[in-house]
Formats: sequence, structure tokens, C-alpha cells
Amino acid sequence: DTAVSQTPKYLVTQMGNDKSIKCEQNLGHDTMYWYKQDSKKFLKIMFSYNNKELIINETVPNRFSPKSPDKAHLNLHINSLELGDSAVYFCASSRMLANTGELFFGEGSRLTVL
Amino acid sequence: GQQLNQSPQSMFIQEGEDVSMNCTSSSIFNTWLWYKQDPGEGPVLLIALYKAGELTSNGRLTAQFGITRKDSFLNISASIPSDVGIYFCAGHKTSYDKVIFGPGTSLSVIP
Repeated sequence: DTAVSQTPKYLVTQMGNDKSIKCEQNLGHDTMYWYKQDSKKFLKIMFSYNNKELIINETVPNRFSPKSPDKAHLNLHINSLELGDSAVYFCASSRMLANTGELFFGEGSRLTVL
Repeated sequence: GQQLNQSPQSMFIQEGEDVSMNCTSSSIFNTWLWYKQDPGEGPVLLIALYKAGELTSNGRLTAQFGITRKDSFLNISASIPSDVGIYFCAGHKTSYDKVIFGPGTSLSVIP
């Protein structure tokens, strides 16, 4: 059973398009995250949701809009894609109340913008 | 902003050798963590450290939480080919803070 699952795993699209990445966790965790990993492998947090409430919103362009329909799901919608959006996007989850930095990551979604 | 530094950036070692890598920060953290990322996968937690001076082992892995709370190291003994990957240190302060990741140490093991 996959604990944190993301779809799609690969996404190739043209500049200017809109795309979404979905994430689901079956760990019963309260908090979910989106991280972006660039070509140099830097992992940077984008958003964090706790029980559907936005907790962390780093300096991310408005073109990125996370949506959490329930605490087990956190989706990422990206409008007007740009070349610089090409990266691997990781979803992660943790237990909020006992959150000590222990994150469970999905396998990643590799986005390529042409 | 908060930043973690990891060294070395990359290393190539022979199978069977021991490996040592470290992580430093200008900020104090309450938790230090070490994650490993295999190619094409997401990072996986290896070891979490919660107390200054703490030394924790997980099989062939040993990690320590620095006394100053601004650094941590990870040792891998008797490396094997499946140790290949990127090792990230991460620091965390409190429940509502974000986890900060270092830039990673890329490990290659030559059989």
C-alpha cells in the first residue's frame, strides 16, 4: 500500500498551459505539503496545509494554487506554466500535533515545460 | 533566510569504506533529521535526532546532534552499492515551523 501517492508521475506540457498534480495520503496524517526540487536537487517548501487549512505559504507565484478538499488530499494547480516551473514536485505528509520534522514523501511528479 | 550547508557536496568511495558527511547551520534547531533520496524516488527518513549531543544508530548508520544545536553529522560504515543516493540533512524548530533541507551530499559507491 502506497502511503503518499502522487499523480501523474511525469507531465510534459507547453508553456502557457494549465496543469494539476494530485496527492493522497493514507497515513491518517493531519498535515500535507508541496515541495519543489530543482535541477540542482534543492528541496524547497511551497505550501503546507493542516486539516484543510493553509499553514505555510512560501513566496510562490499566484499561478500556483493548492487545494485541500479533505485532510487526506492536497492537489496543486499551476496556471500559465513557464519554463522555470520545470522541476520535480513532491507531496509529503506528517502528523501535525507530534510534528518533529518527520516527513513522508511521495515519489514525485516530474514536470517538464517546453 | 535560514540555510543549511552540507559537506562534501559529492563523494565517490569504494564498496566497504566508511563514509562521513556533515551539516551546519547559522541557526539553532530543536530537531535534526537525515533523509536519503534514491534516484527517481522521494526522500526517506533515515534518522531523527531530538536532543543536543544525542548519538543515534540505525544499522550501519550513525548520526549525532551537535552540542551547539547548529550542526549534525552522519556516518555510514562498510558502504554497499545500495547506499548510493543523495543524503539530505534537515533542521526543524517547532511544530508550526517548516522543515529546512540542506543542499544534499551525493554518494556514489564503486563496487
